[in-house]
Amino acid sequence: GAGVSQSPSNKVTEKGKDVELRCDPISGHTALYWYRQSLGQGLEFLIYFQGNSAPDKSGLPSDRFSAERTGGSVSTLTIQRTQQEDSAVYLCASSPGLAGGEQFFGPGTRLTVL
Amino acid sequence: GENVEQHPSTLSVQEGDSAVIKCTYSDSASNYFPWYKQELGKRPQLIIDIRSNVGEKKDQRIAVTLNKTAKHFSLHITETQPEDSAVYFCAASYNFNKFYFGSGTKLNVKP
Repeated sequence: GAGVSQSPSNKVTEKGKDVELRCDPISGHTALYWYRQSLGQGLEFLIYFQGNSAPDKSGLPSDRFSAERTGGSVSTLTIQRTQQEDSAVYLCASSPGLAGGEQFFGPGTRLTVL
Repeated sequence: GENVEQHPSTLSVQEGDSAVIKCTYSDSASNYFPWYKQELGKRPQLIIDIRSNVGEKKDQRIAVTLNKTAKHFSLHITETQPEDSAVYFCAASYNFNKFYFGSGTKLNVKP
């Protein structure tokens, strides 16, 4: 079956514009994670969805960032009024959930804010 | 919250030598510790993981050890090969909830 997919693969935007990043997890995976990876850095946790539970938003860096997951599947990460420091690769991952299992990562979206 | 520290940030070894990367964590409740390999421009991929009820796990040339008392875990790669060159990340999680990642180790295996 298909792995985790993300779109777009690259996004260039102007400072102040809003962007939406999409993640399609592996079918049947109940857990979905968003991370941010700045150039040469580690993965910074942003938000975690598990089934129908309220998401853990504790990693979102500001109220300009939000995410939703519709129908327990596709997720969208929205960044409002983008700033240059938002430039990074945004990675999505999914896993089978609380029962455990490997996190599978998507290819990422490279966001560049000019 | 959890804090994961990883050392060294860069590691250069000769082909055939062993490489060791170390991580410490702060939250004693963490019970799952995966290691990821990320090649340049690619997504992270799981190479090995360990749960807190196990002290050591081995898969061919790769092994991970966990010391729960000291709250540290290590990745060991033996007989390194040039294709092992990549950035390696450790992570810690409680019950597969959010994962906290180390800052990464860039491993360079010289032929």
